[in-house]
Amino acid sequence: QVQLVESGGGVVHPGGSLRLSCAASGFTFRSYGMHWVRQAPGKGLEWVAFIWYDGSKKFYADSVKGRFIISRDSPKSMLSLQMSSLRPEDSAVYYCAKEGGAVTRELDSWGQGTLVTVSS
Amino acid sequence: EIVLTQSPGTLSLSPGERGTLSCRASQSVSYGQLAWYQQKPGQAPRLLIYGATNRATGIPGRFSGSWSGTDFTLTISRLEPDDFAVYYCQHSTNSPPAWTFGQGTKVEIK
Repeated sequence: QVQLVESGGGVVHPGGSLRLSCAASGFTFRSYGMHWVRQAPGKGLEWVAFIWYDGSKKFYADSVKGRFIISRDSPKSMLSLQMSSLRPEDSAVYYCAKEGGAVTRELDSWGQGTLVTVSS
Repeated sequence: EIVLTQSPGTLSLSPGERGTLSCRASQSVSYGQLAWYQQKPGQAPRLLIYGATNRATGIPGRFSGSWSGTDFTLTISRLEPDDFAVYYCQHSTNSPPAWTFGQGTKVEIK
């Protein structure tokens, strides 16, 4: 079955950087687009970034554009999120999620998340 | 930018009752790109419904989705104890690609 395991979260100072990873298994990773979604403590879900199945196109929420970079290593079935110029409002649990249908575009599988705390 | 507004914010119901959750889009949207998720405390979201009306794999038949214009509905026909959770609707756009979530509806035990 699909398994997504995030890692790399932690505590970082404002203005700092952090790199999140997501190890994927149980499906043909190179065939699916992948997302990062975050959830601030006690808040709702916020989509962060999406990368095409082949890595050729990347899309970002306005709140992270220019600061975060999504990437993938398909031979290793790994998804990454490089976060820089971090702000306190970036504090959240970060989930990686797999694209469902290319037309319906739902997120059909999610990892358990990794917590990022931006604090001085 | 499309805004999804979910109502009510909290729904207090008893096991066995019917739950009706609403998600209204701020403008006309493609119904085929509307999904619903369930999230329990400390857990990741789980896909329930995609394409507005299609149940995801393994989702019980008591969950159903419908739509009319810009109004989308998730119905839980008879609530079971395991169904008390927060529910989110989500829509995606194509140009440019973006994914938007509603603010969530909490279904709590009355």
